[in-house]
Amino acid sequence: DAGVTQSPTHLIKTRGQQVTLRCSPKSGHDTVSWYQQALGQGPQFIFQYYEEEERQRGNFPDRFSGHQFPNYSSELNVNALLLGDSALYLCASSPGWGGLQETQYFGPGTRLLVL
Amino acid sequence: DQQVKQNSPSLSVQEGRISILNCDYTNSMFDYFLWYKKYPAEGPTFLISISSIKDKNEDGRFTVFLNKSAKHLSLHIVPSQPGDSAVYFCAASDWGSSNTGKLIFGQGTTLQVKP
Repeated sequence: DAGVTQSPTHLIKTRGQQVTLRCSPKSGHDTVSWYQQALGQGPQFIFQYYEEEERQRGNFPDRFSGHQFPNYSSELNVNALLLGDSALYLCASSPGWGGLQETQYFGPGTRLLVL
Repeated sequence: DQQVKQNSPSLSVQEGRISILNCDYTNSMFDYFLWYKKYPAEGPTFLISISSIKDKNEDGRFTVFLNKSAKHLSLHIVPSQPGDSAVYFCAASDWGSSNTGKLIFGQGTTLQVKP
């Protein structure tokens, strides 16, 4: 079992560009959450997908959007990149909706640098 | 508004001694709390959790204490081992009422266990 995988591992973009990050959940998991972890901070919840729909959203602007595919994998898209979007983006998967959070497994993250 | 706070950015202890990591929260709706450990280049991994109906939960060398009146929880590691050196995140949710996987994280505490 490969666990939660994310691609790419690192990415460099310039301000104003758009970026797409990808996540494959752990086998048997159908719920995917995305978090942003800025340097020196804890992860911040962006949104959560279940059954291909955004179920809950954190305090992030509409520039942040996502998608979940029928195979449960997910994408995070960020438009009009700002310097402040530089962070580690973590994907977490869990089985079913509303399960205990300890069933949530995190991927290694994608490190995004915006210049 | 930082709803979950870890006021100590770092902690250094000697191998074999006790490590105590602290966490404070402000939202009285939080009813489930978790601790995660994070090594460099890896995603956070679940360590231990506690429900608000309990004041203590123990798992091997790890014990979490919850003081609801003070809105404070702590993680005790006894005895500490060099392999415990990592960043520790406290996280909280209102899982009982919202039944979602949204986690609110603290800023993290870097623990160094010296041999």
